[in-house]
Amino acid sequence: EDQVTQSPEALRLQEGESSSLNCSYTVSGLRGLFWYRQDPGKGPEFLFTLYSAGEEKEKERLKATLTKKESFLHITAPKPEDSATYLCAVQALGQAGTALIFGKGTTLSVSS
Amino acid sequence: DTGVSQNPRHKITKRGQNVTFRCDPISEHNRLYWYRQTLGQGPEFLTYFQNEAQLEKSRLLSDRFSAERPKGSFSTLEIQRTEQGDSAMYLCASSSKGQGGHEQFFGPGTRLTVL
Repeated sequence: EDQVTQSPEALRLQEGESSSLNCSYTVSGLRGLFWYRQDPGKGPEFLFTLYSAGEEKEKERLKATLTKKESFLHITAPKPEDSATYLCAVQALGQAGTALIFGKGTTLSVSS
Repeated sequence: DTGVSQNPRHKITKRGQNVTFRCDPISEHNRLYWYRQTLGQGPEFLTYFQNEAQLEKSRLLSDRFSAERPKGSFSTLEIQRTEQGDSAMYLCASSSKGQGGHEQFFGPGTRLTVL
């Protein structure tokens, strides 16, 4: 069964304190791995797509990396406005592989 | 780029009533998805349309749920005889066919509360 597990469930950081969020996945064949940011009461906001092991993507203070079993979202020198829930999702290969399978997310709180 | 829009944003209903939600995808996107999200969980897939054809339905989509996309543009999700367990955020997403994975762009969601 395709599955996504995110850790930790919650993370509290001081402004400027860098850290990483983990996304472990099990999928029959990976079409793509996606990272989203979700603010309370809003829909997920697309951040990155990663397709193959070794790939990296960057956007401002965020950097996403991918291996064959997991992905990391590195947050460098975070600011309070980075506080949100970060969701990881995978999309499997195959005709029926259009649905995204999400993890439960990591809720990040950054204090000044 | 207007993004994905959903209406209403909030809906409160009594158990046993029927409700209908609307989703307007990004205009050039031919793929449309419905997901459901409960507190502390990630979104769970419900159903998927390519143009007007409903190509995939989750086991979560019971007989009380029906979705349509009549002209391949907007979509509606109807829940009949609502139950308290239907209380959740209902999210719509759209994407366009491309190489590799298909990024899905989400709307703001419709929050349903069943009393």
